[in-house]
Parts: sequence; C-alpha cells; structure tokens
Amino acid sequence: QVQLQESGPGLVKPSETLSLTCTVSGGSISSYYWSWIRQPPGKGLEWIGYIYYSGSTNYNPSLKSRVTISVDTSKNQFSLKLSSVTAADTAVYYCARHLWSGKEDKNWFDPWGQGTLVTVSS
Amino acid sequence: VIWMTQSPSLLSASTGDRVTISCRMSQGISSYLAWYQQKPGKAPELLIYAASTLQSGVPSRFSGSGSGTDFTLTISCLQSEDFATYYCQQYYSFPRTFGQGTKVEIK
Repeated sequence: QVQLQESGPGLVKPSETLSLTCTVSGGSISSYYWSWIRQPPGKGLEWIGYIYYSGSTNYNPSLKSRVTISVDTSKNQFSLKLSSVTAADTAVYYCARHLWSGKEDKNWFDPWGQGTLVTVSS
Repeated sequence: VIWMTQSPSLLSASTGDRVTISCRMSQGISSYLAWYQQKPGKAPELLIYAASTLQSGVPSRFSGSGSGTDFTLTISCLQSEDFATYYCQQYYSFPRTFGQGTKVEIK
C-alpha cells in the first residue's frame, strides 16, 4: 500500500526557509492530491496546503504568503518550503494523500506520513 | 473559514465504557466530515469519512453520525488500545480545518 515519508532538516534558524520533502512509495503520485499538515508540540492540527500531481496548488490563507508546495513526478516526491520562519513554526510536519469518493474536491486525508519534527531556533 | 468546536477536550473513561465525542461546525457541511485517531508520537489515522463510513480495518465499535453542523463519534465499548486523541476534520471547503482534539484517558 501507499506509504509516505517526510525528510529534511530538523533544525532551522529564525528568518530562514524551512524545506521538507515527502517521498511516496508503493504507488504513483499521479492522479492524487497531496497535502502538508503540521502540529505544534502538544497542540492541534493545521492544514498548510495541497498540490495536485499536475502542479496546481491551494494554500491556507493564514500561511499563503510564506508557503510554496511543488511536485516532482519523476521522483514521486512533493516538497514544502516555508519562508521567514519563527519559533511559532516549530511543529511536527506531516505529508498526507487526499482520498475521495464521488466529488473529487471533497476529500479527506489517508494515509499520512510518520511526521518529522522541525524546530526553529538559533 | 469553517470553525469547529470539539467537545469535550478531555474525557476520562474506563475500559468497556461507551464514549461520545461531539464536533460542531460554524456552518453546515453536509456530511463532509472525517474522524482521526492519534496515539502519542504517531501520525493521525483515519477512522471514519463521510460522517459515518467506517474506514476499512477499523473496528465496528467505532461509529459516526450527524450531518449539517452537528456530528458525533461514538466508541461503543472502549478498549485499551482506544486511549488516544481524536480529531474531527471538515472537507466541505478550503482551508481544511480540524477540531481541537479530544483526549480519551484512562479513568
């Protein structure tokens, strides 16, 4: 079955850019939507944005000015860049696939990657 | 943005109990609601989608109900492996939003 694995630096300095990659295995990245979701330590879940395999994107307005999500279908990967980070961006970052039945734009998240903790600190 | 109010935030229960978690929307979302279970140090896992459809492999003691603005997750007979945090999530519109979470702990 499809598995997702996040990778990237675990420590980022304030004002710099956080960069993460999600590698999809066991299936193709094509024909699906893929999201990034984060969870600050001890807190709830926040959707960051999605990318369709074709490259179209949709971002959370709360982060839109700082977020870029891209896809590399040849590597079965998609990536997240979050610029100008602060301590408030410290979180576990998850990647996830969208699934639906019926309307393509009505989709939930399954499966999720195991998550990777990114700490913003000097 | 659709805001979600999940309650209670903490639920103390014993094995064998029937527990109910509520999720209320700031506006109607039809049945476009999912429930996830998250255990410490792990990623959330899908339990239910379309408000009441059980994900394959999820035990039948889990059930979901509701439509519009009010939804419920019920665990009919709590097992030891069910002690975890549960989140609701709407997929009616973007941005996707989650409830604040309900931690189910051992009484």
